[in-house]
Amino acid sequence: DAGVTQSPTHLIKTRGQHVTLRCSPISGHKSVSWYQQVLGQGPQFIFQYYEKEERGRGNFPDRFSARQFPNYSSELNVNALLLGDSALYLCASSSTSGRTSEQFFGPGTRLTVL
Amino acid sequence: DQQVKQNSPSLSVQEGRISILNCDYTNSMFDYFLWYKKYPAEGPTFLISISSIKDKNEDGRFTVFLNKSAKHLSLHIVPSQPGDSAVYFCAAGEYGNKLVFGAGTILRVKS
Repeated sequence: DAGVTQSPTHLIKTRGQHVTLRCSPISGHKSVSWYQQVLGQGPQFIFQYYEKEERGRGNFPDRFSARQFPNYSSELNVNALLLGDSALYLCASSSTSGRTSEQFFGPGTRLTVL
Repeated sequence: DQQVKQNSPSLSVQEGRISILNCDYTNSMFDYFLWYKKYPAEGPTFLISISSIKDKNEDGRFTVFLNKSAKHLSLHIVPSQPGDSAVYFCAAGEYGNKLVFGAGTILRVKS
């Protein structure tokens, strides 16, 4: 079975631009979460979606948005990019939403903002 | 406000010996705890988890211990192998899939 997949692998953008990152969860998983990991820190929660509905949002500005599609894949959008948005963006999928459970991560998208 | 802390940035152990990674948390509402391993240029890999109603969970060479009164958990790896060298993250969740991660501990297993 394929694990969580993310695209693209790497991305370079300039300040002020917009970016869209994509994620496909493990087959059968309906929950997708997004995390940002900057160097030297652990992943930080951005969003969780379950059955196309937002179930949680971390402490990130409104420039960050996401959505989930009927096939449970997801997109993370970031507008008006700042240098500080440079990070590894991780997508994780799980089979549940209401209770905490194991989340399985994709390889991430490395975003560099110049 | 760091709710999950891994106070040791790095740990070095000899192959075959025990590795003990520690994690402290402040939020008593956390109901589930997980350990992840991460290699460079890869996403975190799930290792082992424990519910707040338990105090120990074992899976092969990996054992996680939870001390709720001390708000402390630890990961024991016995015996340690060179392939275990990676960054280890402790994570905690509060009824739902928002995980709060520690900053990670770099484990080096010397052969």
